[in-house]
Amino acid sequence: DTGVSQNPRHKITKRGQNVTFRCDPISEHNRLYWYRQTLGQGPEFLTYFQNEAQLEKSRLLSDRFSAERPKGSFSTLEIQRTEQGDSAMYLCASSRDSFASPLHFGNGTRLTVT
Amino acid sequence: AQSVTQPDIHITVSEGASLELRCNYSYGATPYLFWYVQSPGQGLQLLLKYFSGDTLVQGIKGFEAEFKRSQSSFNLRKPSVHWSDAAEYFCAVVDTGRRALTFGSGTRLQVQP
Repeated sequence: DTGVSQNPRHKITKRGQNVTFRCDPISEHNRLYWYRQTLGQGPEFLTYFQNEAQLEKSRLLSDRFSAERPKGSFSTLEIQRTEQGDSAMYLCASSRDSFASPLHFGNGTRLTVT
Repeated sequence: AQSVTQPDIHITVSEGASLELRCNYSYGATPYLFWYVQSPGQGLQLLLKYFSGDTLVQGIKGFEAEFKRSQSSFNLRKPSVHWSDAAEYFCAVVDTGRRALTFGSGTRLQVQP
């Protein structure tokens, strides 16, 4: 168990630019989640994959956000035309295919939009 | 819709004192309940979970939590707090139909020497 890996750890971008984050889950986990966390708040659910299928997207995920998990392994989260309100910590988590399985979180990617 | 409420934004306790962090949930059926801890610069770590059975569950680092259906609560406790317990604590509930955790807003714990 090497843990969930997220890259980059930090990203500073100018408003209007596109950014892409990567998440490598624990290898035997087939569920992968993206969350967003702002200062003083708990993580907010964005989207969820089971293998390569994106099964749910939150209302928070505007059309500027897109996530993929092409081969059911790593995932990418892209934000197009970034806005200052997108500044947050983006967390990735993975789990086995069971409600009883806890989520294992990565350390996150901190995005700052200037 | 399910929701999780953590009424205490910030709690300060002295090292060695007991601790109780409150969590209330709003959910029709018996939920799956979790407590996670987030230390500065680190990812969220699972402390404990409740699905069914014994309403008092034990977790890592000496933490325990009690599920009280009548009060819709799942409070986290520790008999004696250590300075290393200073962190942010999140209660979470999973909707078995949605399969995604919903988190509370968190309680920041500060430990005084």
